[in-house]
Amino acid sequence: NAGVTQTPKFRVLKTGQSMTLLCAQDMNHEYMYWYRQDPGMGLRLIHYSVGEGTTAKGEVPDGYNVSRLKKQNFLLGLESAAPSQTSVYFCASTYFAGQPQHFGDGTRLSIL
Amino acid sequence: AQSVSQHNHHVILSEAASLELGCNYSYGGTVNLFWYVQYPGQHLQLLLKYFSGDPLVKGIKGFEAEFIKSKFSFNLRKPSVQWSDTAEYFCAVDSGGGADGLTFGKGTHLIIQP
Repeated sequence: NAGVTQTPKFRVLKTGQSMTLLCAQDMNHEYMYWYRQDPGMGLRLIHYSVGEGTTAKGEVPDGYNVSRLKKQNFLLGLESAAPSQTSVYFCASTYFAGQPQHFGDGTRLSIL
Repeated sequence: AQSVSQHNHHVILSEAASLELGCNYSYGGTVNLFWYVQYPGQHLQLLLKYFSGDPLVKGIKGFEAEFIKSKFSFNLRKPSVQWSDTAEYFCAVDSGGGADGLTFGKGTHLIIQP
């Protein structure tokens, strides 16, 4: 039982490049979230999904897109990476709204 | 919009000292409250949670927290810290039923000196 798995764990991009971060959970959770963690800022919600085929914007959605084509997967895309998107990205999931979220190990992304 | 304040950004303690980390939130309605811990290089792990009932909740590793509704506070405590408690601690609040995610405080970096 892996829980929440994020790939890749590290990535370096050049400004303007695109990439997709993958989050997979094997707990049959309905709700999935993408956060970014920056020093002194805590975690901020980028996008979230309340079920397969649904997505919604969080606090800091600009520059990101997401898709939830399968219940177990939640993809975060950067279409044109910018240095301001250098961060650690965490995916989380939960079965019921309001219940504790389970977090992945994070993806450390650097944009040069 | 909901906001969460953690008053101590950096705390340095010696082993066996007592710990209290402050957390205040802004929402006046029903909330679910959480403390998460992030050990160096690891993901966030749940320490404890409060949904309802007894306002004093106990979590893992000897941590506890007290919900004081009148003060909008959910402070984390531990009577005697250990070196292994060195980590970043985040208070988080859910005020919308959880569908739109948690609102996190900025975190407290705790260093325990042997």
